[in-house]
Amino acid sequence: DQQVKQNSPSLSVQEGRISILNCDYTNSMFDYFLWYKKYPAEGPTFLISISSIKDKNEDGRFTVFLNKSAKHLSLHIVPSQPGDSAVYFCAAADTGAGSYQLTFGKGTKLSVIP
Amino acid sequence: DGGITQSPKYLFRKEGQNVTLSCEQNLNHDAMYWYRQDPGQGLRLIYYSQIVNDFQKGDIAEGYSVSREKKESFPLTVTSAQKNPTAFYLCASSIWGRGGENQPQHFGDGTRLSIL
Repeated sequence: DQQVKQNSPSLSVQEGRISILNCDYTNSMFDYFLWYKKYPAEGPTFLISISSIKDKNEDGRFTVFLNKSAKHLSLHIVPSQPGDSAVYFCAAADTGAGSYQLTFGKGTKLSVIP
Repeated sequence: DGGITQSPKYLFRKEGQNVTLSCEQNLNHDAMYWYRQDPGQGLRLIYYSQIVNDFQKGDIAEGYSVSREKKESFPLTVTSAQKNPTAFYLCASSIWGRGGENQPQHFGDGTRLSIL
């Protein structure tokens, strides 16, 4: 039973436009959410996170939005650049459980077309 | 530079052999983690350790073992009991949260294990 779902395996976007990556979760106890970017044969790189007490967090070109009632979060990349082409993983944690285990989605492969 | 080092990058194992994957970090992080990634899949947690000499099973611990004798090191042994060991293995570390503070996990570059 997947608790974190990324329903789009792939996404193509023109350079300069907005990329929107989506993530849904089913566990209402999740209260900390993260996005990671991964290139082939490398480890994931942390991008941005959000706590459940917020509904938006921005860092440069990256913004994460959290809709707790819908159990949905999204990552916006504006403007998209060719170097953003990678696999993006959404992850979630129930920090109240006393551990920081992350549950990952299966990833969305983003291709930014020059 | 501070970071997480995994070695080797590629590893081959014969059927029935145990093999140990190395993970070292110099970030002074308390917590360390091992994940497994299969093609088209997300990362799944094998084991994690919050502190030296203590570790906990993750979602897919069967066929694996770990030790945490030093803060900097968290080796993973893939035993012959693991029936499908071919995968990409990722080690991560983080500050262990206190009072609800949240800290991201930082990853090494992984070890790809293949069965001969």
